[in-house]
Amino acid sequence: GQNIDQPTEMTATEGAIVQINCTYQTSGFNGLFWYQQHAGEAPTFLSYNVLDGLEEKGRFSSFLSRSKGYSYLLLKELQMKDSASYLCAVRDSNYQLIWGAGTKLIIKP
Amino acid sequence: IAGITQAPTSQILAAGRRMTLRCTQDMRHNAMYWYRQDLGLGLRLIHYSNTAGTTGKGEVPDGYSVSRANTDDFPLTLASAVPSQTSVYFCASTVTADSYNEQFFGPGTRLTVL
Repeated sequence: GQNIDQPTEMTATEGAIVQINCTYQTSGFNGLFWYQQHAGEAPTFLSYNVLDGLEEKGRFSSFLSRSKGYSYLLLKELQMKDSASYLCAVRDSNYQLIWGAGTKLIIKP
Repeated sequence: IAGITQAPTSQILAAGRRMTLRCTQDMRHNAMYWYRQDLGLGLRLIHYSNTAGTTGKGEVPDGYSVSRANTDDFPLTLASAVPSQTSVYFCASTVTADSYNEQFFGPGTRLTVL
């Protein structure tokens, strides 16, 4: 079966760095996406990885290792507005997205 | 403003009633999707459409139907609602199904079936 695993909840301090991990087992791989979802809102796109390595976008970076079925999202200089759920999704061989349950990130002052 | 709209924003529905959730996008995207999101679970694909005139079943299609008469609209119909269909429903779209572009999401419809 297809499976995406990520921690249910994480807590971090404002101004710090946090790493959210995602492991996956899917039928085929055509890229991995990270989305941010604030409570009561729609998911919004953060990053996309299809090749191994690190993609950096401002305070956010995402890493992929296809051989390990592993990705992480790194958030630097945390701000209170970063409190949200972070969703990992893998595009499978049918180009459909398989979603993890999301990691709720709580930022404390 | 370009994007995806969904209607209604929220709805309380009696079990057994028929309901259509509306989704419209103005980005000329070919591929559209319907997901449901339940607490503790990831987004689950209900139905999808890779292009106008075609539709396909996702992971949890039972009890739902869709149509794609044109590029912009992708309505989701619950023929006879049941309480297990209480959920938040998101419509999404992307340029083409096999592109490496992200999916854009509508604001969601919160549906309660009593």
